[in-house]
Amino acid sequence: NAGVTQTPKFQVLKTGQSMTLQCAQDMNHNSMYWYRQDPGMGLRLIYYSASEGTTDKGEVPNGYNVSRLNKREFSLRLESAAPSQTSVYFCASSESRLVGGDTQYFGPGTRLTVL
Amino acid sequence: GNSVTQMEGPVTLSEEAFLTINCTYTATGYPSLFWYVQYPGEGLQLLLKATKADDKGSNKGFEATYRKETTSFHLEKGSVQVSDSAVYFCALSEGNYQLIWGAGTKLIIKP
Repeated sequence: NAGVTQTPKFQVLKTGQSMTLQCAQDMNHNSMYWYRQDPGMGLRLIYYSASEGTTDKGEVPNGYNVSRLNKREFSLRLESAAPSQTSVYFCASSESRLVGGDTQYFGPGTRLTVL
Repeated sequence: GNSVTQMEGPVTLSEEAFLTINCTYTATGYPSLFWYVQYPGEGLQLLLKATKADDKGSNKGFEATYRKETTSFHLEKGSVQVSDSAVYFCALSEGNYQLIWGAGTKLIIKP
């Protein structure tokens, strides 16, 4: 039981390049999330998906797109990377749809640097 | 809007010392409250949670009590170990999926 997995673990991009961060969970969870973590700012929600086939914007969606490919997989795409997107990106999942108090399970993160 | 405020770190303690990490919140209703922990190089994992006033969450020797009158959810441990060194995040969830996060408090335990 791997939980939440993310690839890649590290990535360096040049400004303007594109890439996709992959996330998969094997817990049969309904909801999935993408966060970014910046020093001194906690976690900020980029996008979330309450169920297969649905996605919605979070607090900081600009410059990103997402795809909920199936119940297991939720990818995050940077179409034209900018230095401001240098961050650590975390994927998470939770069992319930839009239920307060539900525990979120996190992947190990992707450390992205944009030069 | 809802917010979470944590004490700034780093917090440096000696092994076997008593730990308190303060967390206060603002919310319009009755949120659920969480403590997550992030060990070096890893993702976050749930440490404990409380879903209503006066509930006490506990795990791995850590405790936190949901105090509505003081809007607080302080994390405590009676005797810390070197292995407790990590970043601790307080968070709240009110009525939906979204978690509102504190900035995190780095804890360093020296042998």
